[in-house]
Order: sequence, then structure tokens, then C-alpha cells
Amino acid sequence: KNEVEQSPQNLTAQEGEFITINCSYSVGISALHWLQQHPGGGIVSLFMLSSGKKKHGRLIATINIQEKHSSLHITASHPRDSAVYICAVSPTNTGNQFYFGTGTSLTVIP
Amino acid sequence: DAGVIQSPRHEVTEMGQEVTLRCKPISGHNSLFWYRQTMMRGLELLIYFNNNVPIDDSGMPEDRFSAKMPNASFSTLKIQPSEPRDSAVYFCASSSGGSWNYGYTFGSGTRLTVV
Repeated sequence: KNEVEQSPQNLTAQEGEFITINCSYSVGISALHWLQQHPGGGIVSLFMLSSGKKKHGRLIATINIQEKHSSLHITASHPRDSAVYICAVSPTNTGNQFYFGTGTSLTVIP
Repeated sequence: DAGVIQSPRHEVTEMGQEVTLRCKPISGHNSLFWYRQTMMRGLELLIYFNNNVPIDDSGMPEDRFSAKMPNASFSTLKIQPSEPRDSAVYFCASSSGGSWNYGYTFGSGTRLTVV
């Protein structure tokens, strides 16, 4: 059983569309992170959340601690948003055992 | 700051050979993490150092893997002997606090292919 589940696994969108990627987790956490990985590239930390909502440019991340669920939204999607988006959680009381989702591969078509 | 620097970017080696991956964390960061990423298993934490001391190596797959951090500006991950199943992208990351919650920066990764 995976402690972190992401959906969808693959997503193709037309440029300009509103995109939502979901993350559910089954453990108590101190924080949740959204990471972005471009093809062949490194990993960039987009957001760290412990409650509520954060916004950075066209990216919005929300978290519902009670429901153990987080969403990453991309407004007015662009081909340069094409990447793998990874949800990761820092569980409470486990030192540095981090759990990762397997990622959502997003392709935005012009 | 140049960020977290990993070398080499790509490594192709034959089964049985020793492989050494290198990482230079961001100056001032006192925590360093080694990760492995594969298609099958995604990102996995291998080992975590705090102030150059290994804190948690429970993710290291087996005795063939070893990691060292001789000083605050350098760490190595060694695989000896390497096997084809070790083929993956290995990421190093550093942070300014004792855990992943305090600012986190990944290196560009080393793509390892063992043939």
C-alpha cells in the first residue's frame, strides 16, 4: 500500500486549460510538498503546505488536513508547464522518513 | 549561489565496477539527503546527514551502497559492486534545517546506467 496516492497518473491538456492534480495520503503529516520535475531535468520544490492554500503565479496549492488531501491547480496552462508533478509528505513522528507519490505526468499541447 | 551541485551528470558503467557519485550542498545548509528515482519506485530517500553525521540510512538498499560526508561541503554515494538494477537517477538535496521542512533544494541529479 502506498502512503501517498496521486491522480491522475498521466494528464494531457490543451494550452489555456485549468488543470488539477490530486494527492491523498494516509498518514499524519507535518507538511506536504509539491515538486516539479521537467523532462531530463532536476527537481524543483514548488510549495510546502501545512494548512490552507498557497499561490505562486499561475500555481495554486491547497490542503485539507482533516480529509488528508491536497490539490495542485494550474490556471491558464502553458506548454512549459509540461512536467512531472510529485506530491510528497513529511510524516509526523518519523524523523526523516518521507513518503512520495509516483507523480503525475502533465503534457500541455499548444 | 550555484545551488546543489552533483557530478557527474551521466555515468555509464559495467556491472561489477565501482561507482562514485558526488554532491556539493548549498553553502550554509547543514542537512544533506541522497535520493534514488526509478520508474517503478519513484523517489526514495536513501540516506540523510545532519551536520555531516549520518542520521538515517534505513533507505540504503544493501551493503553495496555507502555514503560519506567528510565535511560540510562535500558528500559521496558509492556503489560497489554496481549491478544493472542500480540504474536510476540519483538526486542530492540540501536544506538549512534539521528536516525537510526548512527550505529544500535538489541538485540536477546523476543518471546512472549499469550495463
